[in-house]
Amino acid sequence: EAGVAQSPRYKIIEKRQSVAFWCNPISGHATLYWYQQILGQGPKLLIQFQNNGVVDDSQLPKDRFSAERLKGVDSTLKIQPAKLEDSAVYLCASSLVFGQGYNEQFFGPGTRLTVL
Amino acid sequence: GQQVMQIPQYQHVQEGEDFTTYCNSSTTLSNIQWYKQRPGGHPVFLIQLVKSGEVKKQKRLTFQFGEAKKNSSLHITATQTTDVGTYFCFTPGGSYIPTFGRGTSLIVHP
Repeated sequence: EAGVAQSPRYKIIEKRQSVAFWCNPISGHATLYWYQQILGQGPKLLIQFQNNGVVDDSQLPKDRFSAERLKGVDSTLKIQPAKLEDSAVYLCASSLVFGQGYNEQFFGPGTRLTVL
Repeated sequence: GQQVMQIPQYQHVQEGEDFTTYCNSSTTLSNIQWYKQRPGGHPVFLIQLVKSGEVKKQKRLTFQFGEAKKNSSLHITATQTTDVGTYFCFTPGGSYIPTFGRGTSLIVHP
């Protein structure tokens, strides 16, 4: 079974530039999460989708971050414009169904973003 | 809102010693999960606890969920170098935002 795919794996940009990350979850997984993990901290949820609807985006800085999950499958996360403090690893995860019993999350390898 | 505290932040042990990390929530949890993240890697699911007072074992790992469902622990017996990594507790949400603890980094000295 293929795991969660993410691209790119690494990205270096200047502040105020834009960047986009892509995620393809495990086939059949209805729930998709985007996390931001700053060095030395636990992953912080940015947005959670159930199919193509947003379940929670309360921690997404909406003035600069946006995310979409068209057709309820793959997803993109965009930052525009980037700030220095956005330097982090962006993790995508998927699970079968949110909130029902066993909802183990499967994580992709992440995208390491460096903002200079 | 919900707060999840995890201690200690770091733990150095000699190979063969035991290790424990604790996770405490300010609110009662419906369930709790534990993940392991190797250096440079991504979090990998270890286990989910649901019932009050639940204890689960995976080889040398023992997971407990408190009676009040507000705390949990992960204990590793006789650590090995393969246990190196950061262990996170995770509260899947429901009424609150899904939240990871800050993590406990385990360093095993051979």
